[in-house]
Amino acid sequence: GDSVTQMEGPVTLSEEAFLTINCTYTATGYPSLFWYVQYPGEGLQLLLKATKADDKGSNKGFEATYRKETTSFHLEKGSVQVSDSAVYFCALRTSGSARQLTFGSGTQLTVLP
Amino acid sequence: DVKVTQSSRYLVKRTGEKVFLECVQDMDHENMFWYRQDPGLGLRLIYFSYDVKMKEKGDIPEGYSVSREKKERFSLILESASTNQTSMYLCASSLSGNNQPQHFGDGTRLSIL
Repeated sequence: GDSVTQMEGPVTLSEEAFLTINCTYTATGYPSLFWYVQYPGEGLQLLLKATKADDKGSNKGFEATYRKETTSFHLEKGSVQVSDSAVYFCALRTSGSARQLTFGSGTQLTVLP
Repeated sequence: DVKVTQSSRYLVKRTGEKVFLECVQDMDHENMFWYRQDPGLGLRLIYFSYDVKMKEKGDIPEGYSVSREKKERFSLILESASTNQTSMYLCASSLSGNNQPQHFGDGTRLSIL
C-alpha cells in the first residue's frame, strides 16, 4: 500500500537558518504530493503541492521538488523565521485510492529567535 | 478560498453522552473526511464520504458513525462517548481528482470526562 516516511522530529533551528525536512514515499500509482502545515491550535493548511515528476511546488519561501527517481519530496526553506514554527506533514494522493490522502507522521519545527 | 467550518473549537462532554460534531464546506466538494489527531499517532482517518448519503470506513471507525444528508455538511457522531475518544477532530473536504488537495477546518478539541 501507499506510505509516506518523514524525517523524525522535533527539529530546532535558529532564525535565518536553512531548513530541510525529508519526505520519501511508496505508492502503487503515480501520486500527487503535498506539504501541509499546522500552526499551534489550528487545523492543517495546504502549503504547496506537485502533481508530476520534476514539478517544483513553492509558497511563502518554502519549496519542494517531486523526485520520481528517488521517490522523494523534501521541503526546504532558505531562511526560517520564528513564525514558521509549526508541524509539517508530507502527504500523497493516488488515483483510485478510496481514502485519497496518505499522511506522514509530521515533523515539529521550532525556530528560536 | 475554500472554507471548511467546524461547529465548535472546544467541546467538553461526559462519558456515555451522544456527541455530534458538525462540519460544513462552501465549495461544493464531493468528498468530505473526518480525522482524529493524537500525539505520537498522527492523523488517522475515521470516516469519509464521496457523495451525499454515501460513506466509507477509514482506519478507526469503531465507536463512531457519520451522516451526510446534504452535500455541504458532514456530521461525526459519537454514539456513547468514552474517555479514549478525547482528541482533536479534524474535518476536511476535497474535489475528486488525483491532484486535488484536501482543505481542513480549524479542528474541534473534544474532551470526554
